[in-house]
Amino acid sequence: DAGVIQSPRHEVTEMGQEVTLRCKPISGHDYLFWYRQTMMRGLELLIYFNNNVPIDDSGMPEDRFSAKMPNASFSTLKIQPSEPRDSAVYFCASSPDLTTKDETQYFGPGTRLLVL
Amino acid sequence: AQKVTQAQTEISVVEKEDVTLDCVYETRDTTYYLFWYKQPPSGELVFLIRRNSFDEQNEISGRYSWNFQKSTSSFNFTITASQVVDSAVYFCALSEAYNNNDMRFGAGTRLTVKP
Repeated sequence: DAGVIQSPRHEVTEMGQEVTLRCKPISGHDYLFWYRQTMMRGLELLIYFNNNVPIDDSGMPEDRFSAKMPNASFSTLKIQPSEPRDSAVYFCASSPDLTTKDETQYFGPGTRLLVL
Repeated sequence: AQKVTQAQTEISVVEKEDVTLDCVYETRDTTYYLFWYKQPPSGELVFLIRRNSFDEQNEISGRYSWNFQKSTSSFNFTITASQVVDSAVYFCALSEAYNNNDMRFGAGTRLTVKP
């Protein structure tokens, strides 16, 4: 089975532009997570979904950030407008239904974002 | 809220040495899960192990072993006979049962294994 898929792997954009990051979770997983990794703050949970519904978005830094999950196999994280301080690696992760007793989160390869 | 501390920012060893990466956690929950992830230079996060709070048995997987001690709130990771390919950043993480999708990561320990 393919793991979590993220695209693009690298994104370079200019300040003020809209950026959209994409994620395809592992098939059958009910939970999807977006994380941001920076040198200063480490790995931070931004938002997570359960069965396509956003459950906790308290980690989303500002209104410039938004995330959607229109169906079980696709999610987007959008930054509009982007700023240089948004430069980071953004990870998507998914995990199975809790009834499987497996709370492990499986991570995608990440999207390295650079905002100039 | 839960907290994970990895006090060792960087460790450097020579190949074949044993190395232990420390992880200390804080939680108010009696049921929780501990994880270790590896982040090699290529950047992806690789799951290594998950432990629940009721299972204090130590685990060994090849050259990797984990020592879980609730008495000291620690979940340390030992690599025996380290190899250059073990060079990576290692993250310890904790999630609590009542909110087990809010996983908190430690700052990570960068391990460098020199030939």
